[in-house]
Amino acid sequence: GENVEQHPSTLSVQEGDSAVIKCTYSDSASNYFPWYKQELGKGPQLIIDIRSNVGEKKDQRIAVTLNKTAKHFSLHITETQPEDSAVYFCAASRSLSGGYNKLIFGAGTRLAVHP
Amino acid sequence: NAGVMQNPRHLVRRRGQEARLRCSPMKGHSHVYWYRQLPEEGLKFMVYLQKENIIDESGMPKERFSAEFPKEGPSILRIQQVVRGDSAAYFCASSPVQTSYEQYFGPGTRLTVT
Repeated sequence: GENVEQHPSTLSVQEGDSAVIKCTYSDSASNYFPWYKQELGKGPQLIIDIRSNVGEKKDQRIAVTLNKTAKHFSLHITETQPEDSAVYFCAASRSLSGGYNKLIFGAGTRLAVHP
Repeated sequence: NAGVMQNPRHLVRRRGQEARLRCSPMKGHSHVYWYRQLPEEGLKFMVYLQKENIIDESGMPKERFSAEFPKEGPSILRIQQVVRGDSAAYFCASSPVQTSYEQYFGPGTRLTVT
């Protein structure tokens, strides 16, 4: 079945450094790739997403890149701040008959940003 | 603008009891997904519902689990005769239309089975 691999599982950086999280997916028909941030005791929050018709998308300090040929996509956070500390999940989905999509999640990356 | 609401936030049940989890989608959203998150793992799809219809329940265990989304009121995920392995966080997400890519998650219900 569909699978999403996410690396690394933990990531520790100094404030101001960049953080990169990588994901690979198995279903070549996947066409939507969101990233979620989950803080302790809360639900996942959509922070950025990309669709298969573009290779890169940026929103202030975060950016996502997509390589459809290699079936991998990455999250880049620049100028990290302590409040960026959380668990980050990548996901992939494809439109199913009827138009809906169910997300296949990676296992998550625990990011710690140290002051 | 209220987001997705879930209640209760925490639920403790003894083995063999029933657990009933509720989800109210964002205003204007009529499509609900349920996901389960085991400790230290990613979320796993369980079921997708529209008002009064179950569209995809391919992620639901075959026994003891059921879901509904009535014409009026919240979506409900029901677990009968709970076992310890059902302990997890259960999240619902809503989207405005069937073909919308974005899913917005609620805060989750953390179920503990003792």
